[in-house]
Amino acid sequence: QQQVKQSPQSLIVQKGGISIINCAYENTAFDYFPWYQQFPGKGPALLIAIRPDVSEKKEGRFTISFNKSAKQFSLHIMDSQPGDSATYFCAASINSGGSNYKLTFGKGTLLTVNP
Amino acid sequence: ETGVTQSPTHLIKTRGQQVTLRCSSQSGHNTVSWYQQALGQGPQFIFQYYREEENGRGNFPPRFSGLQFPNYSSELNVNALELDDSALYLCASSLKGNEQYFGPGTRLTVT
Repeated sequence: QQQVKQSPQSLIVQKGGISIINCAYENTAFDYFPWYQQFPGKGPALLIAIRPDVSEKKEGRFTISFNKSAKQFSLHIMDSQPGDSATYFCAASINSGGSNYKLTFGKGTLLTVNP
Repeated sequence: ETGVTQSPTHLIKTRGQQVTLRCSSQSGHNTVSWYQQALGQGPQFIFQYYREEENGRGNFPPRFSGLQFPNYSSELNVNALELDDSALYLCASSLKGNEQYFGPGTRLTVT
């Protein structure tokens, strides 16, 4: 059972464009939703995260939109740059009630930003 | 403040052998989680250690085991290696309940 579904699998965007990656989750107990960026041969780097008490969070060019009723969240990268070319993972965890806070990841989106 | 470090970077083992991977957590963090990332996939949770005790385990067999030391560094041990164990092994450190920060990973190849 795949608890976090991520789409698209790959995405090609022109420099300066907007990149949008979507995720849907099944477990309503999830209460923490981070996005990670991973370059080839490196570990995932925490990009931005949101909790379900807000519908949007923005940090620089990166924005998370969260729809609790639809059980969906998305990452928007504004003014996409070639240096943003990487694999992006959404994840979810339960961060309350004595849980072990394990992250459940989507399968990833390979983003290519053309110059 | 140093980040999460892992050793070795790469490792080649033969099926049936045993391997130990090491992780040093970020300064001030008391929790270490281990993940397995197969090629082209998202990381899969193996287990977590909090203050030297196992604090949850994913869907991995008992031949995957771990330790956490008083300085919060950690080891992942895998016995009786199988070809499917070939993957990038990631550790992530955190203050329990907060953001997890990943190390660069150990690339394990089983032949």
